[in-house]
Parts: sequence; structure tokens; C-alpha cells
Amino acid sequence: DAGVIQSPRHEVTEMGQEVTLRCKPISGHDYLFWYRQTMMRGLELLIYFNNNVPIDDSGMPEDRFSAKMPNASFSTLKIQPSEPRDSAVYFCASSFAFGLPSTDTQYFGPGTRLTVL
Amino acid sequence: GENVEQHPSTLSVQEGDSAVIKCTYSDSASNYFPWYKQELGKRPQLIIDIRSNVGEKKDQRIAVTLNKTAKHFSLHITETQPEDSAVYFCAASKRGWTGANNLFFGTGTRLTVIP
Repeated sequence: DAGVIQSPRHEVTEMGQEVTLRCKPISGHDYLFWYRQTMMRGLELLIYFNNNVPIDDSGMPEDRFSAKMPNASFSTLKIQPSEPRDSAVYFCASSFAFGLPSTDTQYFGPGTRLTVL
Repeated sequence: GENVEQHPSTLSVQEGDSAVIKCTYSDSASNYFPWYKQELGKRPQLIIDIRSNVGEKKDQRIAVTLNKTAKHFSLHITETQPEDSAVYFCAASKRGWTGANNLFFGTGTRLTVIP
């Protein structure tokens, strides 16, 4: 199993540009989570999906952020327009929550380090 | 919502000594408590977890204890080694009927093991 895959691994962009982060969850997982990590705020949950449906987006900082999951194997997090304060590491994680309790562990991808100049 | 507090924020120990990291949570309905280890520049990785029907769980040098009444749980690392140096995060969640287990994370503890 390749694990959770994220791309790009690093992104440097200028303020005002659109940024799209991509995630491929572990095959068979039915939950997908987007997190943001900064030194100041730690790990923050932005949004999560169950069976491709957004369940809770209360962590999305503002309307500039949007996320989609068009199918079970792909999700995107888009920032438009980007701002310097969006600079952070963005992690995607997936889990399988309808199996045995021991299988609902969240597995994190390698993250995308975003720098907005 | 759930609020998870973690202490200390930094911890330095001599190699071979034990390290203890403590977390408290606010929502008595939380029933799943994982611990993640994050090495510099890497992703958080699960090292151990405990559910509310268990008071203690061990895995080699790592153990986690849970006190539901007091709403706190702790990570214990014995015989620490330099490779244990990392940031450790505790988290809490409640697995409802939807099966969701969105995690609420503590602020992390930076553990340094001095050779």
C-alpha cells in the first residue's frame, strides 16, 4: 500500500495566486481529513469528508478556502486568492471508520509545504 | 467542542531516563485517544492509542494510561533513546454513530533525549 499521497510536496507562490493541493487517500478508506499545521496554531482540522461528502467544514478559515472530493480516490484543497498568512504545512489524512475499532486510525500523508510570498 | 490541553510543551531527558507527557480533555463523550509522533519535517505517525474501555495499554517501551473520571491521559516512554526525540501530539475524539473520529489535537510536546 502506497499510503496517503499528496502533491505537490512543496509549493511557493505569490500573494493573490490560486493554489491547489491534492490528496489521494488510502484505497478503501471512507474518511478523508485536511489539516493545517503552523508553529503558532499547531495542527488544525480544516474539513473532513465521509464517502466523498463534506461533513464538517467549520475549520475552514474563510471563503478563500474550498475543498472537494469528486471521487473516493481524490480530493483537492484550493486557496484563492492566497495570502502570506496561509503559509503552512497542509496534511491530508484518511481512515476507515466502519470496520473494527482498531482500523479507524488516521493515516497522514507527507504534507504539502506552502509558502506564499 | 472538545478542548485538549497538553503539557509540557518541551521536555528534555537523559538517554535511558523515562519521559511522561500529560493531556487533559474536556468532552466526557470522547472515547478514543491516540498519540502521534512527528519527527522534524515528517508526517505525524500513530505510535499508540487507547479507547475509553481500557485504562492502560503498553507497547514495548511505550505505555498510555487513561483516567476517564479525571479526563486525562498520559504517554510514558521508558528507557528513552536519541531516536525518541520528536514532537509528540495527543488527541481525542468521540466515535459517534456516523463512525466519524475527527481528532482534536493537543499543542504538542517537543521531546529531546540527550545522549
